[in-house]
Amino acid sequence: DTGVSQDPRHKITKRGQNVTFRCDPISEHNRLYWYRQTLGQGPEFLTYFQNEAQLEKSRLLSDRFSAERPKGSFSTLEIQRTEQGDSAMYLCASSPTTGSLIYEQYFGPGTRLTVT
Amino acid sequence: LAKTTQPISMDSYEGQEVNITCSHNNIATNDYITWYQQFPSQGPRFIIQGYKTKVTNEVASLFIPADRKSSTLSLPRVSLSDTAVYYCLVDGGYQKVTFGTGTKLQVIP
Repeated sequence: DTGVSQDPRHKITKRGQNVTFRCDPISEHNRLYWYRQTLGQGPEFLTYFQNEAQLEKSRLLSDRFSAERPKGSFSTLEIQRTEQGDSAMYLCASSPTTGSLIYEQYFGPGTRLTVT
Repeated sequence: LAKTTQPISMDSYEGQEVNITCSHNNIATNDYITWYQQFPSQGPRFIIQGYKTKVTNEVASLFIPADRKSSTLSLPRVSLSDTAVYYCLVDGGYQKVTFGTGTKLQVIP
């Protein structure tokens, strides 16, 4: 399967702990996105990478959040000092830069975070 | 970013055609219209995209009037497996895609 993969699929952590999520995009895609989705809401944009460069960050991405994409391949999203409000599904997506459907994003299955 | 408005929910019987309309009154010249489908506990999945007139693929049709201030996703002969949330997106850039709350479609046997 060559789709977008995310690890772990589920994470339960205690408030105040740090967590890190990994996303492996489709190999030929050089754009990578992170979203957060809470129950009953659509995904909210967090940040976006073009290769290894982080080009845009949402105001939702507080100082406790950091994302990296070393070497332009996989990406990690770290949340420091987790809070109960961080409980959500974290989605990763990737897209190519060429092709007729330029805005099509391929989403991974998500990582569900529960902060207790 | 153009804001979109969709019905919160819709019900349909199996085998019927379903039309979900999305309003985007302040769509910009460079904006495309894209629809995604999302099942519970899964990431969204691309359905169809268009700029104007009509686009059809193997799963849906997208109708866009000349003023582009709205669009309609048409799902022919829905089945129970089409029960999902459908999102209408309008954006002209690669970087940031804004999802609304979507339309929850419930297909009834």
